[in-house]
This record gives sequence, structure tokens and C-alpha cells, in this order.
Amino acid sequence: GAVVSQHPSRVICKSGTSVKIECRSLDFQATTMFWYRQFPKQSLMLMATSNEGSKATYEQGVEKDKFLINHASLTLSTLTVTSAHPEDSSFYICSAGGAGGVQETQYFGPGTRLLVL
Amino acid sequence: AQSVAQPEDQVNVAEGNPLTVKCTYSVSGNPYLFWYVQYPNRGLQFLLKYITGDNLVKGSYGFEAEFNKSQTSFHLKKPSALVSDSALYFCAVKAPGTDKLIFGTGTRLQVFP
Repeated sequence: GAVVSQHPSRVICKSGTSVKIECRSLDFQATTMFWYRQFPKQSLMLMATSNEGSKATYEQGVEKDKFLINHASLTLSTLTVTSAHPEDSSFYICSAGGAGGVQETQYFGPGTRLLVL
Repeated sequence: AQSVAQPEDQVNVAEGNPLTVKCTYSVSGNPYLFWYVQYPNRGLQFLLKYITGDNLVKGSYGFEAEFNKSQTSFHLKKPSALVSDSALYFCAVKAPGTDKLIFGTGTRLQVFP
């Protein structure tokens, strides 16, 4: 199957700082990437959908100025949590899909655990 | 609105016994259905999907799922469970015309030796 990587796998930061998470599709070109957030023992919550070269589409209730998404190439999307606060602590997971349209399978990265102190 | 239900928070099964993890969905039109597995502190791994065609779909690690349109179900099955199958399983659906996956709440599978 297709491989998606995330970096870093774990990050601890102080409140008020910004954190950047990278998501890369290693062996395929991802026209669309998705960012999810997962709280302990809960399901995945879609935060935003990003298409290469265009602005991300955010889900209702997700602050786009706080969670900046950039999808500058077909293999890389970044999520920047700006001015992070303890309530932003969570497990962030990205996924990537190819150009197969809605039938395309999303392949997920291993996740990034963010802890804001 | 599209939705997915996984009615069981946890399923317990003895190693070697068959397992079933239940999933029902609600979408307009023909759904695209997916199963993913998540191990602790890891992302999701794709197991299988139903798009069209044969209602019985075979996937990774010996798992299979049966699409039942009349019951709007897509239950995940395996004939003989392994202890290493213990993990969190998510059912997901895409509505026609959308890229978004709608996830169920997940079912924790525990396989006992």
C-alpha cells in the first residue's frame, strides 16, 4: 500500500509557541491531503481538506487562523498550530489520497502527538 | 446527513474463534465503505473497501467484509482471530461526490489467548 509519513511523531512545546507538523506521501502523488484530530478513546475528527496549490477547506468550528495548512507540492502538506495552548494537545493524523477521485483510498500517516505545557 | 454507527465499543473473542465487528451506515445514494485498523499511538492502516461489485470484499491480514444494501451494513469478519488482531477498528463511509471520510466511533477488538 501507499506510504504516508509524518514528522515529528511527538512534540512537546510551551504555551504560546507555534508547532509545524509535516505530512508526506512517499511513493505517490497526493492531490488531496486531509488533517484529522483524535482525542483519547475517540474517533477521528476531520479538521480540513487541502488540495495542492489551493487554499485548504476547513470544517465547521475549526479556526483557520490557528491551524494553518499549506499544501505546496503533491507530496507535502504542513499543519502549523499557531500560538498553541494546552487545549490544543491532541493526536494529529494526516491522510493522503491520489488522483482517483472519490473512489480513492485515503492512506494515513502514523500521527503526531502534541503536548502543550 | 451521512453517518456511520459502530454499535459495539468493545468486542472480545478467543483466539482461533471467528470474529465480527459491526458497522451500519446512512448515506444518500451508493456508498463507498472502508475499514481501517489502529494500533496504539499509531495512525490508521487500510484494511479493505467496498466500491461496487461483489458484496464480499477481501482485505489485508485475512479480514473480509460483507456489504448488505438492504440492511445498510458492512460488517468486518475474520474466520479465525489472532491475539495480534487486538486493536481499534474504524468503519468509514464516503458519500457519493465527496472526498470526505465519515468515521464511526471505533470498536476495540480484544482477542484472548
